Amino acid sequence: DAGVIQSPRHEVTEMGQEVTLRCKPISGHDYLFWYRQTMMRGLELLIYFNNNVPIDDSGMPEDRFSAKMPNASFSTLKIQPSEPRDSAVYFCASSLGRSNQPQHFGDGTRLSIL
Amino acid sequence: TQLLEQSPQFLSIQEGENLTVYCNSSSVFSSLQWYRQEPGEGPVLLVTVVTGGEVKKLKRLTFQFGDARKDSSLHITAAQPGDTGLYLCAFRSSNTGKLIFGQGTTLQVKP
Repeated sequence: DAGVIQSPRHEVTEMGQEVTLRCKPISGHDYLFWYRQTMMRGLELLIYFNNNVPIDDSGMPEDRFSAKMPNASFSTLKIQPSEPRDSAVYFCASSLGRSNQPQHFGDGTRLSIL
Repeated sequence: TQLLEQSPQFLSIQEGENLTVYCNSSSVFSSLQWYRQEPGEGPVLLVTVVTGGEVKKLKRLTFQFGDARKDSSLHITAAQPGDTGLYLCAFRSSNTGKLIFGQGTTLQVKP
């Protein structure tokens, strides 16, 4: 079975550029999560969706960050304009239900903003 | 604010040794999850513990949930290089429903 698929795996770009990260959740999962991981702050939840609807975006650091889920099989996280402090590994995860159901993570996008 | 503290932060041991890592908080949790993250990959769920005092075993890994449901430990017997990775504990916030992760313990098992 295909897991959560993220693209690109690596992204290097100059500050000020727009960055778009993509995620395809596991088919049938109704929750989708975007996380950011850094050495300093660990794994932080940015936003999550239920049935394609954003439920909680309180973890989104600034207005430069936005996320969409136009359908059940696709989500994007966009940063515009990007800054060096946005450099991190961004993970997408999906789950069937929430409670104690496991979250299945993609392999992440390693983002470097120069 | 509920916080998870994991210790130690880093651990480097030789193959065959035993080890224990800890996940502590001052708050009570309804459940706790342990994840392992290997380099270049996302975290993978190992176990969920729900009942105070619960012990779960996964091959050479033994997970324990404290009686008061405030802490948990992971014990690995006869560690192998394949156990190398970042071990994360996480709880679900009763207020927001979000999964909150600890900072993790980075384990290196040398052959």
